[in-house]
Amino acid sequence: DAKTTQPTSMDCAEGRAANLPCNHSTISGNEYVYWYRQIHSQGPQYIIHGLKNNETNEMASLIITEDRKSSTLILPHATLRDTAVYYCIVRVGTGNQFYFGTGTSLTVIP
Amino acid sequence: NAGVTQTPKFRVLKTGQSMTLLCAQDMNHEYMYWYRQDPGMGLRLIHYSVGEGTTAKGEVPDGYNVSRLKKQNFLLGLESAAPSQTSVYFCASSYWRGDGYTFGSGTRLTVV
Repeated sequence: DAKTTQPTSMDCAEGRAANLPCNHSTISGNEYVYWYRQIHSQGPQYIIHGLKNNETNEMASLIITEDRKSSTLILPHATLRDTAVYYCIVRVGTGNQFYFGTGTSLTVIP
Repeated sequence: NAGVTQTPKFRVLKTGQSMTLLCAQDMNHEYMYWYRQDPGMGLRLIHYSVGEGTTAKGEVPDGYNVSRLKKQNFLLGLESAAPSQTSVYFCASSYWRGDGYTFGSGTRLTVV
């Protein structure tokens, strides 16, 4: 099963780019990498997902290494409202299991 | 457009009581999911549905039952609540399995 490893916590200065790493060394060729975040006590919020190529949307950019064993979520200009737990997830095979793990707690500092 | 709505938002049950949590989505999504979240353990999938009239077990299905009689609704039932089921329950939906999920705001359940 493809699982992920993320740092437990990170800090980022307001206005700077937040780079959140994720290792998924056992990922299979057809498995996508998804990122979600959860702001305190709220339901998780989908951010972005990708397979091989880098992806960008209005919220963030996702950089996936060529060997697909790791990825980085980039919040280009972090704000205080980006303080949250960020989950990096890969889908397990062809099933419907999303293993959320415990994620990275990002604190944006004024 | 309300998205995913969960009711109730809070509930306290006594051990052995039963209850049903309701999840409703207005996005015409095929897939719906129930997760529970406990401190320090992330979210764990309880049951899910890939369409009206279908249900399937997730990672932690014991003690729960589900039904998807209408496409827009996914019900989670606890027949005989136990203190171990004290948790925050989140419902989510997606149009297809590869999409990002839309989550509800959660139901905080305490079993005493």
